[in-house]
Amino acid sequence: SQTIHQWPATLVQPVGSPLSLECTVEGTSNPNLYWYRQAAGRGLQLLFYSVGIGQISSEVPQNLSASRPQDRQFILSSKKLLLSDSGFYLCAGLRASDNEQFFGPGTRLTVL
Amino acid sequence: RKEVEQDPGPFNVPEGATVAFNCTYSNSASQSFFWYRQDCRKEPKLLMSVYSSGNEDGRFTAQLNRASQYISLLIRDSKLSDSATYLCVVKGSSGYALNFGKGTSLLVTP
Repeated sequence: SQTIHQWPATLVQPVGSPLSLECTVEGTSNPNLYWYRQAAGRGLQLLFYSVGIGQISSEVPQNLSASRPQDRQFILSSKKLLLSDSGFYLCAGLRASDNEQFFGPGTRLTVL
Repeated sequence: RKEVEQDPGPFNVPEGATVAFNCTYSNSASQSFFWYRQDCRKEPKLLMSVYSSGNEDGRFTAQLNRASQYISLLIRDSKLSDSATYLCVVKGSSGYALNFGKGTSLLVTP
């Protein structure tokens, strides 16, 4: 079965500090991968998606970036965090057979 | 107009009640439809896919009305463990992204 791993589970960072969140996927090859953010009391916002190594599409302008250095690895980064970057960050894959989106456990980021 | 719209609730219902959630979507070319469940501070998990003919999984029934661009989820005999946020999700015929509604919050009380 396909599984998404994310770490850390929680993170507290000061404003202006860098960020690197890693996501890895098991049980499939060449998956479509996604980064979502869910702010408190809000819906899921798609930040980036990737259809393959080195291929990144950005859905919203922001101070975040994403990279896909390997087939099963998707990284979310920032050079300088803002207070507004606080939220629940979810990495997800897409099962091609039925378009089901499956999620990792998420990282809860608090920027102070 | 948002791609996927849901009544945010909260819906507070007693155990054993029947509750229905509705969702509308704006893209008539949408092809895939889902209901996800999200518990507090957890990731969303697939509850069920929604098929044109409607489908049932135990106490849960999902319906799709393409003409009205409307999806519903019916929960019968509510349990305390059904308390969660229910997300309506729609995928278009092209592209790679799924569109998530903001979710409807359900609280089942004793």
